[in-house]
Amino acid sequence: DAGVIQSPRHEVTEMGQEVTLRCKPISGHNSLFWYRQTMMRGLELLIYFNNNVPIDDSGMPEDRFSAKMPNASFSTLKIQPSEPRDSAVYFCASTLPRGEQFFGPGTRLTVL
Amino acid sequence: LAKTTQPISMDSYEGQEVNITCSHNNIATNDYITWYQQFPSQGPRFIIQGYKTKVTNEVASLFIPADRKSSTLSLPRVSLSDTAVYYCLVGDINRDDKIIFGKGTRLHILP
Repeated sequence: DAGVIQSPRHEVTEMGQEVTLRCKPISGHNSLFWYRQTMMRGLELLIYFNNNVPIDDSGMPEDRFSAKMPNASFSTLKIQPSEPRDSAVYFCASTLPRGEQFFGPGTRLTVL
Repeated sequence: LAKTTQPISMDSYEGQEVNITCSHNNIATNDYITWYQQFPSQGPRFIIQGYKTKVTNEVASLFIPADRKSSTLSLPRVSLSDTAVYYCLVGDINRDDKIIFGKGTRLHILP
């Protein structure tokens, strides 16, 4: 298996633009997590899905952030409109029940 | 969710054994202890998990005392490539629940 796949790996955009980050979990994994990492705040859990259903989105910063998981093999994290403070590395992770989390390589987002 | 406390940073030398201790005073009966490792520019990677006593795999050992209020990750004979951030997490793995990553311990291995 190729592991968790994220795209793009790098994204540079201007303030106010819409940003869409994509994640393909490992086949057969039923839980998917979106994290954000910055030097100041560390690794923060934004939202997680179980069997494609959002379970806890309390970590989503504000209404500008939204996440979807239309099927078991794909999820998106959208920021609209983006702001400079959204600059961070965004990780997606997937897991089996009671299993370890497998992280993707991350998307480095820079909002100018 | 049980809170964890671990040193912010540690330095060691190649070839040494490194022990990183994590405190989790309010660990619950069903909670397991899990450690992840994160290299620069990569996502965290699972290292080891345990419930009590000692667990060993090809990468590390995990020591958990009887009261389970702390745990120690032991890395034998470290090399420069073990320079990374190490996270201690506590949670009930039998529930579909979120886990919280703290700030971790930044381990720097010196030649």
